[in-house]
Amino acid sequence: NAGVTQTPKFRILKIGQSMTLQCTQDMNHNYMYWYRQDPGMGLKLIYYSVGAGITDKGEVPNGYNVSRSTTEDFPLRLELAAPSQTSVYFCASISTGDAYSNQPQHFGDGTRLSIL
Amino acid sequence: GQNIDQPTEMTATEGAIVQINCTYQTSGFNGLFWYQQHAGEAPTFLSYNVLDGLEEKGRFSSFLSRSKGYSYLLLKELQMKDSASYLCAVRLSGGYQKVTFGTGTKLQVIP
Repeated sequence: NAGVTQTPKFRILKIGQSMTLQCTQDMNHNYMYWYRQDPGMGLKLIYYSVGAGITDKGEVPNGYNVSRSTTEDFPLRLELAAPSQTSVYFCASISTGDAYSNQPQHFGDGTRLSIL
Repeated sequence: GQNIDQPTEMTATEGAIVQINCTYQTSGFNGLFWYQQHAGEAPTFLSYNVLDGLEEKGRFSSFLSRSKGYSYLLLKELQMKDSASYLCAVRLSGGYQKVTFGTGTKLQVIP
């Protein structure tokens, strides 16, 4: 059972480039989330999804896009990379039932992104 | 908006007890989580409180007072490996159970 898998683990981008951060989970979870974590800070919600075809903005969505064509995958796209998007990105998931219980979200290992 | 406050840094001695406080003001409340996060790693779940009172899990305990918007994480018998950041997070009520995180408290355990 792999859980939540994020790729790549590290990436350096130039300003203006685009890229997609991949997130996949094999637990059949409906709810998936993308967070960013700047140095010395907590996690901020970028986008979330409650099922295939349904996505919504979180706290800091500007500069990002998402899609959810399958239950398993929730990719995050940066269209025009900017230095302010240098951060660590975490993907998380949880089942619909557990989202209302004492169970926490399952986190991936993160993608460390630097934009120069 | 949502506001969660935690001390930025704390230092404690190996073998001692440390209490990390968290105060929150959020639009709705459906539980509070504590996570541990070592540098360069993902957060790891420690505890969950939804009712007032103390939850104990081995060396870790967490307390919640909903009327005061206050929680604390208590770490006993500190070990060097407890040096990490501790994140307080509130699950909001309403649809989709979004979670708002505090900025975290960086704990340094010294010999």
